[in-house]
Amino acid sequence: DTGVSQDPRHKITKRGQNVTFRCDPISEHNRLYWYRQTLGQGPEFLTYFQNEAQLEKSRLLSDRFSAERPKGSFSTLEIQRTEQGDSAMYLCASSMTGGGYGYTFGSGTRLTVV
Amino acid sequence: GESVGLHLPTLSVQEGDNSIINCAYSNSASDYFIWYKQESGKGPQFIIDIRSNMDKRQGQRVTVLLNKTVKHLSLQIAATQPGDSAVYFCAERFTGGGNKLTFGTGTQLKVEL
Repeated sequence: DTGVSQDPRHKITKRGQNVTFRCDPISEHNRLYWYRQTLGQGPEFLTYFQNEAQLEKSRLLSDRFSAERPKGSFSTLEIQRTEQGDSAMYLCASSMTGGGYGYTFGSGTRLTVV
Repeated sequence: GESVGLHLPTLSVQEGDNSIINCAYSNSASDYFIWYKQESGKGPQFIIDIRSNMDKRQGQRVTVLLNKTVKHLSLQIAATQPGDSAVYFCAERFTGGGNKLTFGTGTQLKVEL
């Protein structure tokens, strides 16, 4: 296992289209997180899963955003009806219960909405 | 620090010097702090962490200092190398805030040869 994998690395989409990103966490990690990062800013929390249960969602996560982790392994983040303000880096991270609060981040998916 | 959009605070140091990066955190109820390093095009990379019941922790070439009285965190990098050039973020976890981390605005470290 080489770490947290995210796909795609880059996505350009037209405003109004739907996009879906995938995250494969470190295999033994039961916790998975999605963050969003805009240029020059620190990452902002979006949502968190423990196994397949989505335990916390940020108010930043509007009803256009949905995340799933159906089998407690990989996760998807979907954005419907994309807006230009959705342009950002979407970061996934994973950690293990009892392993402290430091996560391992993936390299992110860079979304550009034109 | 406050958000300054694209204009990150920047620290320039000479190779071999020590670097000190500072962070003011927001919540006195935070119980855990982490420093991350982020290189261009990559996700944040864990450097070192510290719990609120400690005031100092050392790693390899890095030391984190925590001053809870003034809600201040610092990262010291000894003998700074060109590979240390990156954006550095501090992050905090609030007691009772679940497992999410709240990140500060980063500091750009530039190492000059």
